[in-house]
Formats: sequence, C-alpha cells, structure tokens
Amino acid sequence: QVQLQESGPGLVKPSETLSLTCTVSGYSITNNNYWGWIRQPPGKGLEWIGTIYHSGTTYYNPSLKSRVTISVDTSKNQFSLRLSSVTAADTAVYYCAREVSRSREHWGDYWGQGTLVTVSS
Amino acid sequence: QSVLTQPPSASETPGQRVTISCSGSSSNIGGNAVSWYQQLPGTAPKLLIYSNNQRPSGVPDRFSGSKSGTSASLAISGLQSEDEADYYCAAWDDSLNGLVFGGGTKLTVL
Repeated sequence: QVQLQESGPGLVKPSETLSLTCTVSGYSITNNNYWGWIRQPPGKGLEWIGTIYHSGTTYYNPSLKSRVTISVDTSKNQFSLRLSSVTAADTAVYYCAREVSRSREHWGDYWGQGTLVTVSS
Repeated sequence: QSVLTQPPSASETPGQRVTISCSGSSSNIGGNAVSWYQQLPGTAPKLLIYSNNQRPSGVPDRFSGSKSGTSASLAISGLQSEDEADYYCAAWDDSLNGLVFGGGTKLTVL
C-alpha cells in the first residue's frame, strides 16, 4: 500500500535552512498525483506549504513562497522541502502527503506520520 | 487567522449526532470541492471526506459531508468515544492558488 515517510534534522538553527525529504513506497511518484507538504505548529492547526507534480510544476502558499522550494527526485521516488531563513515560528510537525488534484478538487489522501522540526539555537 | 472558518469546539454525548460547520468564500468552497480530515491525538491527519461528500474506503458511513454555497458541513451520527478528535476542512482557493484549511474543531464526546 502507499506509504510516505518524512526524514531530516529535528533541530535547525534560526536563519538557517530547513530541509526534509519524503520517501514514497508502494506507489510511483510519477503517477498522476501531486505531492505536498503540510505543517502544524505545536497546539495549532494545519497549514499547507506547497505541492509538486512529478513534471516539476509547483504551487506554494503565498505566505511562504519567498522561502520555500519543493523538488522531486523520480529516480529515488522522493520529494523534498527546503525552507530558508527559519525562525522559531517555523517550529512545527511537518507532514508530507499524496495529493489528488482534478478539476475543482484537491485533497490529500495518504499522509506520512510527520516529523517534528524545532528551530532553536 | 484561517481562510476557512470552523467553530473551535463541539461536544455531544455518545450515540447522538453532531455537525461541524466550515465557512468560506466564492474563491474556495464556493467554487471548489471540500475535504475533511480527522486527527486523533498524537497522530497524522486522516482523510475522512473528499469531493464534498465522498468517503474513502474504510471510513464508516456514520460520517457524511455536505456543501451548500460557500459553506460545508461534516456530520457524525451514532457518536462514539473514539470519534473524539480534531476535525479540519479544506478546499482549493483560486485566489491564493493553494490549498486552504479551516482552523480545526475539537470534538469532545461527553
């Protein structure tokens, strides 16, 4: 079955770049899906960060767009998130998800377990 | 401040029915389908409803979704203690060109 697993450092210093990778198993990342990142600050709600298609097409949350890069590595069946110039406000559990997108519809049907990233010196 | 508006909390007794609302605008719910997610304590969100009212395989039919205009609702009937969780609505927003979430509703089963 489809499984997603986030990996990356759990601690990042302020002003540095947060980097996470999502490894997809049981499903090809080149199939007709988008692949997204969502985060959740401690005790708060969900915030969509952005999404990518295997062709490289991306959509980003406008509030994060200047700091976010999402990329895909089809040879490894992985996609990645880079968030630059982090501050304590970027401390959150980061989830990766498979997203279904079609006319007037977009949702995440498979999610990773999430990984906590803390921004602190 | 979330783009979609949900009540922060809801509560009901076991066996009863509860409804959670989600309010948006013409750029999101008004023109695009709504999805709902259940997040049990300490776990990742789980897709509950997609395309306004469709249930993924394995989701009990106690859960149902509906949409009217710029608002949507999630209904849970025959409430059980294991339904105690946070519930989030989401929809694509054409103005922001991105997926937007509601702030979440914490459901307590009394």
